[in-house]
Amino acid sequence: GNSVTQMEGPVTLSEEAFLTINCTYTATGYPSLFWYVQYPGEGLQLLLKATKADDKGSNKGFEATYRKETTSFHLEKGSVQVSDSAVYFCALPGSGNTGKLIFGQGTTLQVKP
Amino acid sequence: GAGVSQSPSNKVTEKGKDVELRCDPISGHTALYWYRQSLGQGLEFLIYFQGNSAPDKSGLPSDRFSAERTGGSVSTLTIQRTQQEDSAVYLCASRTSGGFQNYGYTFGSGTRLTVV
Repeated sequence: GNSVTQMEGPVTLSEEAFLTINCTYTATGYPSLFWYVQYPGEGLQLLLKATKADDKGSNKGFEATYRKETTSFHLEKGSVQVSDSAVYFCALPGSGNTGKLIFGQGTTLQVKP
Repeated sequence: GAGVSQSPSNKVTEKGKDVELRCDPISGHTALYWYRQSLGQGLEFLIYFQGNSAPDKSGLPSDRFSAERTGGSVSTLTIQRTQQEDSAVYLCASRTSGGFQNYGYTFGSGTRLTVV
């Protein structure tokens, strides 16, 4: 079945540093890929998505490019802020037509001022 | 309501007791999902409801876990004879029907279950 592997955290950065969180996947075909974010005390929110190979998803300064050659969907941001401190999850659809998602283990990002 | 509501937000229970976790999805959202977020395990899918039926229960870890949904709305996840390994945050999500490329989930804030 489909699966996703995400770099382990926690990741600690200073404000304005460059962020990369690695995500690789195993899937049949070319499913949509997602990044979700969980801010402290809140539910998961969709951060960005890409629905086909070579697409770039972007939102709030974050970007991720769907790369079928390397089966990757790495999350990047050029200049992180303290408010970006959260847990980030890479995800893709599970098997079957249910709409369920398979999530990575999550990467905790802490940005220090 | 405006969002997905879960209750209680926190639950501490003794090992061996039964617990019920409630999810109130966004009105009109026909699809509802339960996930479990354990330390070091990420987010695991538990069960999917479409309306009141559950076509995918493949993620329920044992027969101690069950869930139901009534009126196409509120869902209850029940854990019988709780064990310490059941300690986790249980998340509920709902979405409208439609193409799977949309994946327009709305997640609740979760119920943190601690089994002592």
